[in-house]
Amino acid sequence: QQQVKQSPQSLIVQKGGISIINCAYENTAFDYFPWYQQFPGKGPALLIAIRPDVSEKKEGRFTISFNKSAKQFSLHIMDSQPGDSATYFCAASQLTGGGNKLTFGTGTQLKVEL
Amino acid sequence: NAGVMQNPRHLVRRRGQEARLRCSPMKGHSHVYWYRQLPEEGLKFMVYLQKENIIDESGMPKERFSAEFPKEGPSILRIQQVVRGDSAAYFCASSPGGSQPQHFGDGTRLSIL
Repeated sequence: QQQVKQSPQSLIVQKGGISIINCAYENTAFDYFPWYQQFPGKGPALLIAIRPDVSEKKEGRFTISFNKSAKQFSLHIMDSQPGDSATYFCAASQLTGGGNKLTFGTGTQLKVEL
Repeated sequence: NAGVMQNPRHLVRRRGQEARLRCSPMKGHSHVYWYRQLPEEGLKFMVYLQKENIIDESGMPKERFSAEFPKEGPSILRIQQVVRGDSAAYFCASSPGGSQPQHFGDGTRLSIL
């Protein structure tokens, strides 16, 4: 199975709070795990990505935690801001034939309230 | 430094017509991916192309859909004899190749009347 399961479907967080989005995958051959942010009417934009040899990666307010044995990874957004309100997608891929086709989760609609 | 350019941004077709979606990758990128996004769903991989070659079309419907990435010009996703179920947002992404990140365009929203 090539699925990536994402939860929650929607999330409301107060300004300054921590937003947490979780994903689980089945294919142990996946070796690249990016997170994308999408605003209405726009294409997905790469936020942060991790490879399975690392358990955590932090870039500014965004952190990916990765648990290889549980086949799970999560996105933490610290000090959430109204401008972070968007849809977030986790994804996974396996490098095959020189390519990198992505399998996406179903997305999480994040709303950050004042 | 232009990003991935997709056009048209919106396309309306009647059932049975043909839809042509174009994607110009970022400068220096020779790998193109097409994805489809249905309302309230994630993106689904359709096809992966390099210049003049289809590398992986495992996500493409077997009929009516085709893709190309010629030596010169943009990549084209072509849908023949469109049906209502083809209504979706179609996104193109490009990369320099290998495991380099994919950069997405803003998509073409296809509506079928």
